[in-house]
Amino acid sequence: DVKVTQSSRYLVKRTGEKVFLECVQDMDHENMFWYRQDPGLGLRLIYFSYDVKMKEKGDIPEGYSVSREKKERFSLILESASTNQTSMYLCASSEGVHEQYFGPGTRLTVT
Amino acid sequence: RKEVEQDPGPFNVPEGATVAFNCTYSNSASQSFFWYRQDCRKEPKLLMSVYSSGNEDGRFTAQLNRASQYISLLIRDSKLSDSATYLCVVNPNAGNNRKLIWGLGTSLAVNP
Repeated sequence: DVKVTQSSRYLVKRTGEKVFLECVQDMDHENMFWYRQDPGLGLRLIYFSYDVKMKEKGDIPEGYSVSREKKERFSLILESASTNQTSMYLCASSEGVHEQYFGPGTRLTVT
Repeated sequence: RKEVEQDPGPFNVPEGATVAFNCTYSNSASQSFFWYRQDCRKEPKLLMSVYSSGNEDGRFTAQLNRASQYISLLIRDSKLSDSATYLCVVNPNAGNNRKLIWGLGTSLAVNP
């Protein structure tokens, strides 16, 4: 079974803090993704990576950056957290153009 | 037109009922399709992949109609545990594109 883990299930941060969300997958998948999910807006892609040190912007990259130094790990960074970044953050991985497998999500609250 | 559109829902059905969801997609070149299930406050989980005209897995049947550009999901003999949001997902397959296009989901509540 594919396993995708995320560093925290719940996180509370203050406005202006730098926030790191970590994601690790154990299936040697080439692709990794970061989404956020908000009520009524569905899943929105922030960034994705198809290889180590490679990254591509998704639909809503503003205010976020990513890092992929190792194949199994993909980090999402909020440089200066704002209240409108309060959301559920979901990491996923996939091989080729096939289905994606998700981690349990991190529910981030920015106060 | 949205790239992927789903029935708005919510669907409320009694146990044992048969329920069907439809999903339309705008990119006629799309090659692969998926149905995911998402429970409240949990991550999406793959329910079925649809690569050809359709797929069946127990009580669940997915059908693909390329001419009309829609995918359907049929659930027979609904169980209380089927209550969830069902997400229609399309791979537009543009070049080497690895991104998926996600519908907003259809909420299903199965009642005793």
